[in-house]
Amino acid sequence: DTGVSQNPRHKITKRGQNVTFRCDPISEHNRLYWYRQTLGQGPEFLTYFQNEAQLEKSRLLSDRFSAERPKGSFSTLEIQRTEQGDSAMYLCASSSGRAEQFFGPGTRLTVL
Amino acid sequence: DAKTTQPPSMDCAEGRAANLPCNHSTISGNEYVYWYRQIHSQGPQYIIHGLKNNETNEMASLIITEDRKSSTLILPHATLRDTAVYYCIVSGVNFGNEKLTFGTGTRLTIIP
Repeated sequence: DTGVSQNPRHKITKRGQNVTFRCDPISEHNRLYWYRQTLGQGPEFLTYFQNEAQLEKSRLLSDRFSAERPKGSFSTLEIQRTEQGDSAMYLCASSSGRAEQFFGPGTRLTVL
Repeated sequence: DAKTTQPPSMDCAEGRAANLPCNHSTISGNEYVYWYRQIHSQGPQYIIHGLKNNETNEMASLIITEDRKSSTLILPHATLRDTAVYYCIVSGVNFGNEKLTFGTGTRLTIIP
């Protein structure tokens, strides 16, 4: 399968713990996006990379959140000191600079 | 990005055409109309996009009014697999370089 992959698919953690999610984009795509989706809402933009450069961050991305894309390939999203309000689906998407963004299946985070 | 307004839900009989409306009265001249859909528990999927001309691909047709203040997504022969939340998004001219601002979309239910 050559689509966008995300790992893990599900993560349950206790409040205050750190979690890290990984996204592997489609191999030739230089743009990578992270979104967050809560129940009943559409996805909300978090941050965007072009190659290894992080070009835009939403104000939703508090200082507890950090994203990286070393070498412009896979990306990681880390949440430190998780809170119950961080419970959501975290979606990754990639594109080649054309109109279409390809989304992965998401990582569902539950903070207890 | 310009805001969009969509009905929260719609039903359509299997085999009939599903027509999903979207209002985007504040769209600016360089903004495109994008449609994505999200099947339950999956990441969003690109359907189609357009600027001012009507567009058709293997999935759907997009009809944009002459004043560009509204559009309609048409699924010509709806199947049960088309049951999903459909998002109408207006975004800037840079293909793949703009974050997508999702609303709450239209929940389309295809009825057997």
